[in-house]
Amino acid sequence: GESVGLHLPTLSVQEGDNSIINCAYSNSASDYFIWYKQESGKGPQFIIDIRSNMDKRQGQRVTVLLNKTVKHLSLQIAATQPGDSAVYFCAETPHFGAGTRLFVKA
Amino acid sequence: ETGVTQTPRHLVMGMTNKKSLKCEQHLGHNAMYWYKQSAKKPLELMFVYNFKEQTENNSVPSRFSPECPNSSHLFLHLHTLQPEDSALYLCASSHDSSTNEKLFFGSGTQLSVL
Repeated sequence: GESVGLHLPTLSVQEGDNSIINCAYSNSASDYFIWYKQESGKGPQFIIDIRSNMDKRQGQRVTVLLNKTVKHLSLQIAATQPGDSAVYFCAETPHFGAGTRLFVKA
Repeated sequence: ETGVTQTPRHLVMGMTNKKSLKCEQHLGHNAMYWYKQSAKKPLELMFVYNFKEQTENNSVPSRFSPECPNSSHLFLHLHTLQPEDSALYLCASSHDSSTNEKLFFGSGTQLSVL
């Protein structure tokens, strides 16, 4: 069943600000997490992943943080742009969290 | 282009109709998945196939019947559906479902049951 979940259904940020999307998981043995972005009319697409032997992983404008102690991970988007507006999912394949819809205000 | 193609993009059907959704992947993957996405629920895993064998059926009603003739193609046969089955049906693929890798999704079929 579902082992990952998100804290907030929606997040609204000002263009240029940083966005933080949170996710919790329940299984201490979980060792691989993925963040996906789903734009309107498309399926979810891979953004970044992290394994349990890491605390942090950075991509282009995105950073994922993993706190194994509290079973929590977050996705940080730097300098949020209108093109970042989408639904973001954390996942432990093949199970997905509920998703957070990010709105970017111009 | 994700390498996973779903047809049709949109489908409207009556409750007595029989229709099929098609998914094809050009990534050389061995695992394929069906998900249901509705407005009020998160992505719901329906079926998983690995090397053409069904490895997971997430308590899906029998009015949904999957078929995986080879590793590149996946079908979802629909019959006597209910209005609550209206949703976006997403197909995904990965190298091997036993390794829990990242998934590549198609754009989905938006299904409306009248």
